[in-house]
Amino acid sequence: QLQLQESGPGLVKPSETLSLTCTVSGGSISSSSYFWGWIRQPPGKGLEWVGNIYFGGTTDYNPSLKSRVTISVDTSKNQFSLNLRSVTATDTAVYYCARIVRGGSLDWFDPWGQGTLVTVSS
Amino acid sequence: QLVLTQPPSASASLGASVKFTCTLSSGHSSYAIAWHQQQPDKGPRYLMKVNSDGSHSKGDGIPDRFSGSSSGAERYLTISSLKSEDEADYYCQTWGTGIWVFGGGTKLTVL
Repeated sequence: QLQLQESGPGLVKPSETLSLTCTVSGGSISSSSYFWGWIRQPPGKGLEWVGNIYFGGTTDYNPSLKSRVTISVDTSKNQFSLNLRSVTATDTAVYYCARIVRGGSLDWFDPWGQGTLVTVSS
Repeated sequence: QLVLTQPPSASASLGASVKFTCTLSSGHSSYAIAWHQQQPDKGPRYLMKVNSDGSHSKGDGIPDRFSGSSSGAERYLTISSLKSEDEADYYCQTWGTGIWVFGGGTKLTVL
């Protein structure tokens, strides 16, 4: 059974870089059938897609975050990572990683990680 | 612009049925969507994909009480025989060229 686990600092200072890693277990990140994505959820609010990566390195980013986001993949470690630069308090959120299933007419997130809370504060 | 609209809240009694609505923005009425459930203090869980023709395919282990349907630009999730564990937030999600979009979510209260 595929599982995803987010890891990284829970507290980041304003203007610094938020860095998270998602470790995939129970399956290979190098499968051509899937993308790998990041989604975030500010406290008490809804879900927001951040971006995703294909094992070959192709990326898509939310246009509202594109100038600050980089997602990378390390197939040797079966991991993918998120870097979000120049953070402010509005970047405080639970960050989820997820596998993206390529379904032809629709790509969807399944399964999801348990999420990790990142707070931006000095 | 690809947008998904959901009512913010819904309520229904134990043992009853509830139907959630997700509305696709103008020009996108043929799009398929996915439904995800988020129980309190948990990560989301994929429930099913719903196509524009009303056909749907559920995720692994999703009970028969959960079903999907469509009408025009609206996509639906119906839960029958409500249980207390169904109290959760329900999000619809779709995909455009290089972007993934979520609805604002509907919070279900089981009375």
